[in-house]
Amino acid sequence: TQLLEQSPQFLSIQEGENLTVYCNSSSVFSSLQWYRQEPGEGPVLLVTVVTGGEVKKLKRLTFQFGDARKDSSLHITAAQPGDTGLYLCAGRRDPSKLTFGTGTRLQVTL
Amino acid sequence: DTAVSQTPKYLVTQMGNDKSIKCEQNLGHDTMYWYKQDSKKFLKIMFSYNNKELIINETVPNRFSPKSPDKAHLNLHINSLELGDSAVYFCASSPTRGTYGYTFGSGTRLTVV
Repeated sequence: TQLLEQSPQFLSIQEGENLTVYCNSSSVFSSLQWYRQEPGEGPVLLVTVVTGGEVKKLKRLTFQFGDARKDSSLHITAAQPGDTGLYLCAGRRDPSKLTFGTGTRLQVTL
Repeated sequence: DTAVSQTPKYLVTQMGNDKSIKCEQNLGHDTMYWYKQDSKKFLKIMFSYNNKELIINETVPNRFSPKSPDKAHLNLHINSLELGDSAVYFCASSPTRGTYGYTFGSGTRLTVV
């Protein structure tokens, strides 16, 4: 059973389009993180959200933690080819362990 | 000046062999992890060590044995390799068990033939 389901699994869009990636669970998390992974590399942390309803912005990326702390979304405005990669959400219930989502592969073409 | 470094980057070996993957971090973090990423890109935790002490062992076969000689190193030894062990293995570290993010190495692609 996957604790964190991401949708969509794959997304192919053109430069300049907007998109939203969702991360859903039936479990409550004390915090949630988003990572981006490029081919041949490890995931790199983008953001951590802790409070229900929290919204954080990182340039063209907007992250939101659900009010009940069970879900999160990542919205990218005016996507660029450099945004291409595998986006992973990761939630923490146990202080010792981060559980990763199923991943969303994003491809942005010119 | 790599923060979390793993060696080797690629490992191709035959079934039944024993192999090791090494990991070192120079961030001064207290906690280190091993994750396995399968062909569908799902990342699953295998082990976690805090200050050289094992704190998580996620139902991993006994053929996998982590060793942490000090808090900057966490190595993974695998005995009697099987085809199903083929995956990318990532080492990661974090300052504490709080809300800090993980810093990952660049991974070791293990192929068992």
